[in-house]
Amino acid sequence: DTEVTQTPKHLVMGMTNKKSLKCEQHMGHRAMYWYKQKAKKPPELMFVYSYEKLSINESVPSRFSPECPNSSLLNLHLHALQPEDSALYLCASSLTDRAYEQYFGPGTRLTVT
Amino acid sequence: ELKVEQNPLFLSMQEGKNYTIYCNYSTTSDRLYWYRQDPGKSLESLFVLLSNGAVKQEGRLMASLDTKARLSTLHITAAVHDLSATYFCAVVPYGGSQGNLIFGKGTKLSVKP
Repeated sequence: DTEVTQTPKHLVMGMTNKKSLKCEQHMGHRAMYWYKQKAKKPPELMFVYSYEKLSINESVPSRFSPECPNSSLLNLHLHALQPEDSALYLCASSLTDRAYEQYFGPGTRLTVT
Repeated sequence: ELKVEQNPLFLSMQEGKNYTIYCNYSTTSDRLYWYRQDPGKSLESLFVLLSNGAVKQEGRLMASLDTKARLSTLHITAAVHDLSATYFCAVVPYGGSQGNLIFGKGTKLSVKP
């Protein structure tokens, strides 16, 4: 299995909702990443987990809460989001955070109404 | 702080023509990546360049890296419509981890008949 999967593909949520994004890989990778990408912009790093521990948090608002329950799974819990949080959320993984390459998932298109 | 600059940001080409996209970066690096992104889709890895003088080719695309000049090029030969997409270069600073990956702003390529 050489891919990163993300669910759901699309998500529409109101500002008072709580939802979660899920990312999974079965490549034995020990580093996993969340990126946010706005239209016509490059991806921006949000969080990095290395060996299931949060190693980088790029000053992301607390309405985004990451979780890494095990080495294969990465969640992003969403609560009280704003319309400007609408974006493509990309998950990626790499063998370790020192590896030569990240593998990106297909993304979740999030719309906040 | 590492800065990555791509140019041009927009490129309209005719089919059959050749062109080059440039990626300059501001600090020492030994890892440079080229990605392709189709509208609404995730990032597709094109090339990983790990050493000075590295050259890689896939189909009509060829990428090279000059670490002394801090410059990478993505050369397009005899463009076809299927190459229309946004192309990002991304750099990890020397000694950094995948969590330090910095993207350029992207080059939107449009290939017209």
